Amino acid sequence: EAEVAQSPRYKITEKSQAVAFWCDPISGHATLYWYRQILGQGPELLVQFQDESVVDDSQLPKDRFSAERLKGVDSTLKIQPAELGDSAMYLCASSLDRDSYGYTFGSGTRLTVV
Amino acid sequence: GDSVTQMEGPVTLSEEAFLTINCTYTATGYPSLFWYVQYPGEGLQLLLKATKADDKGSNKGFEATYRKETTSFHLEKGSVQVSDSAVYFCALGSGSGNTGKLIFGQGTTLQVKP
Repeated sequence: EAEVAQSPRYKITEKSQAVAFWCDPISGHATLYWYRQILGQGPELLVQFQDESVVDDSQLPKDRFSAERLKGVDSTLKIQPAELGDSAMYLCASSLDRDSYGYTFGSGTRLTVV
Repeated sequence: GDSVTQMEGPVTLSEEAFLTINCTYTATGYPSLFWYVQYPGEGLQLLLKATKADDKGSNKGFEATYRKETTSFHLEKGSVQVSDSAVYFCALGSGSGNTGKLIFGQGTTLQVKP
């Protein structure tokens, strides 16, 4: 069964450092999502791509977060500088298109900022 | 804006007990509704969905009915097993057009004891 790959699985970083997460969606999935899940809460959308274009980044803290999907395939989410409040699970998901909500989630990257 | 409210957990049940997890929503238009399950250390998996009023989603013994009049989508299972222990998230697809964005509730932890 096809999976959404994410790496690293776990990341510990010091505040003010830079950190990056990588996501490889299911082949052929045009839509890619990054969600942030703070412990004890539901996931919240950070950014949504349709192919290589950003279609929703309204909740992305753009002063420190950036995301790209250069060739419309894999994607990188970066935080610089990291803050203590960024500690969370970062989930990537993909779908064939945005109309069906047919998401497949990856296993996530658990970020701890110390 | 659109939002989802779930009953607070944890919910602790004995094996073979009846399960209900309440979910209500606020949304413009007629959103699609979903239940996702998250097992420890894993990403989210779609459990079931309903796309219009009075639809019943079902999977693995779980059921939920889309009730427009009460804006609810309560999750039920007649007889829970230890293996059902997980965190359950209710979610809605953004109602104003199919943007692909999901809005999640805060999650309800289910613990099933033998």
